[in-house]
Formats: sequence, C-alpha cells, structure tokens
Amino acid sequence: DAGVIQSPRHEVTEMGQEVTLRCKPISGHNSLFWYRQTMMRGLELLIYFNNNVPIDDSGMPEDRFSAKMPNASFSTLKIQPSEPRDSAVYFCASSLTNSPLHFGNGTRLTVT
Amino acid sequence: TQLLEQSPQFLSIQEGENLTVYCNSSSVFSSLQWYRQEPGEGPVLLVTVVTGGEVKKLKRLTFQFGDARKDSSLHITAAQPGDTGLYLCAGEGAGANNLFFGTGTRLTVIP
Repeated sequence: DAGVIQSPRHEVTEMGQEVTLRCKPISGHNSLFWYRQTMMRGLELLIYFNNNVPIDDSGMPEDRFSAKMPNASFSTLKIQPSEPRDSAVYFCASSLTNSPLHFGNGTRLTVT
Repeated sequence: TQLLEQSPQFLSIQEGENLTVYCNSSSVFSSLQWYRQEPGEGPVLLVTVVTGGEVKKLKRLTFQFGDARKDSSLHITAAQPGDTGLYLCAGEGAGANNLFFGTGTRLTVIP
C-alpha cells in the first residue's frame, strides 16, 4: 500500500504565478479531502469529494482556489494567481465513507 | 465551525515524565479522534473514541472521551523521545465526513 501520494513535496513560486498541487488517493477509497495547515490557523478543510464529486467547498478561501477530481485516482488543487498569504502546507487525505482519514505527506508551498 | 481548543499548545518534558494533553469544545461530537504528526509528514490516526466516558489504551497512551462527548484527554506515561510530535484531536460532527481539527499540542521529549 503506497498510501496517499502528493506532488510536489515543495513548491516555491512568485506572487501572481499559478500553482498546481497533485494528489493520488489510496486505491479503492471513495472520499478525498484537501486541507491547509498553518501555524496560525492549524489544519483547515478546504474541500472534499465523494465518488469524484465535490460535496463541500465552503472552506475554499476565495475564487483563486479551485479543485478538480477527474477520476478516482487523481485530484488537483490549483491556486491562480498565488499570493504570499497562501504559503502553507497543503495536505490531501483519502478514506472510505465514514472511515478514518489517511493523509499524504503534504506539499509545502512558499509564495514570495 | 465547531472549535476545538487544545492545551497546552507547547510542552517540553524530560524522558520518563508523564503528561496530559487536553482537547475541549462547547460542541458535542459523535466521536473524537487523536492524531500524531511528525515533521514533514501528514497526521496519522492513533485512536477513535465514540462513547461518552470511554477510555482506550494504546501501550503508554491513554485516551479518554468526556461523559458529555465535548472534551477528551490524552495521557502519556513515561514519555519517550519517539513520542515527540504534534498531537491533534479531531471531533466528528453531524453528517458524513464532517471532521473538525483542534489547534494542536506540540510535544518535545528530551532524552
């Protein structure tokens, strides 16, 4: 079991650039979550999908953020344009419905 | 948003000491989970408690869910350097996949 795989592990970009974060959930899991973690705000849920369909995106901070799940084995979180305040660690997690979450190792994003 | 406050925020102790971490809320949760997160990694689930007053033990770790299902504690006996990490509680609210994470306690165990 390879676990949840996220890429890249680190991303450094300049303000205004587009950033795309990628996630491969555990095979067979039907729910996928995107979280953001900062020292100030802790771990915040941005959006989650069930069976590839976005269910709750109320945590997405603004229209600059978008997420897609084109199939059961891949999801992206895109920020366009990026801003310094978007700097954080972004986690993807997957699960079976109402079962514990399995987190990836995160993408550390730095926007300068 | 259902707020979960953890205390202390930071804790640094010597190897062999005991410690307790608290997770408090004004909201009732159907279950509560505890995670440990190590640097450069994602949180890993330690335990889930479901019933008010429930106590679960995982080796030197003891988890308790409050009778009213609003709070929880994690007690570590004879802490080891390997216990170092960020401990997060997470409460499950009504509805599927409705998990709220606490503010976290960063534990350092000094050899």
